[in-house]
Amino acid sequence: ILNVEQSPQSLHVQEGDSTNFTCSFPSSNFYALHWYRWETAKSPEALFVMTLNGDEKKKGRISATLNTKEGYSYLYIKGSQPEDSATYLCAFAYGGSQGNLIFGKGTKLSVKP
Amino acid sequence: DAGVTQSPTHLIKTRGQHVTLRCSPISGHKSVSWYQQVLGQGPQFIFQYYEKEERGRGNFPDRFSARQFPNYSSELNVNALLLGDSALYLCASSRSGGADEQYFGPGTRLTVT
Repeated sequence: ILNVEQSPQSLHVQEGDSTNFTCSFPSSNFYALHWYRWETAKSPEALFVMTLNGDEKKKGRISATLNTKEGYSYLYIKGSQPEDSATYLCAFAYGGSQGNLIFGKGTKLSVKP
Repeated sequence: DAGVTQSPTHLIKTRGQHVTLRCSPISGHKSVSWYQQVLGQGPQFIFQYYEKEERGRGNFPDRFSARQFPNYSSELNVNALLLGDSALYLCASSRSGGADEQYFGPGTRLTVT
């Protein structure tokens, strides 16, 4: 059974703090790693798709790194803002079933003003 | 461009009934995937369709079926509903369904009583 683990489960930070989350996935048969942000009452929003070992991607204050050999990805948020409050999901796609995303349970981030 | 749309938004059904959920992808997207999300869990993959062909199926019973139409819209059908089918059903579209970003709709909240 393929399993994707995310930690921590939840995180409470103050506005202006920088934070990071971890996504662990199987290191064999890797195809892609997706990150999504899911705000309450909205649709999950794609942040990054990463396919190469060592990939680093950035969108504004949010960035992500990928290590396919050891099976982990980090998501970083610099200078958290209240609007960053959301659940952050990672999803693993493996070779031979690329459209089948295996999601972790997510990290719920709350940013207090 | 309009995003992914799903209908209905909410639905209440009784055990044993049948339900049909609908999804319209983003214009130009040929792949549609369906996910089931229950509280506290990440979305779980049900089906992927590409160019009207089933490309992948998750670990769901045969009561679940889907199809994709020539205009790339899709239906998810669930027969003989069980209480455990109560969940948020998400549809996602992508250009080709490989490592592409998947764009999610707002979901259909199904309650089975």
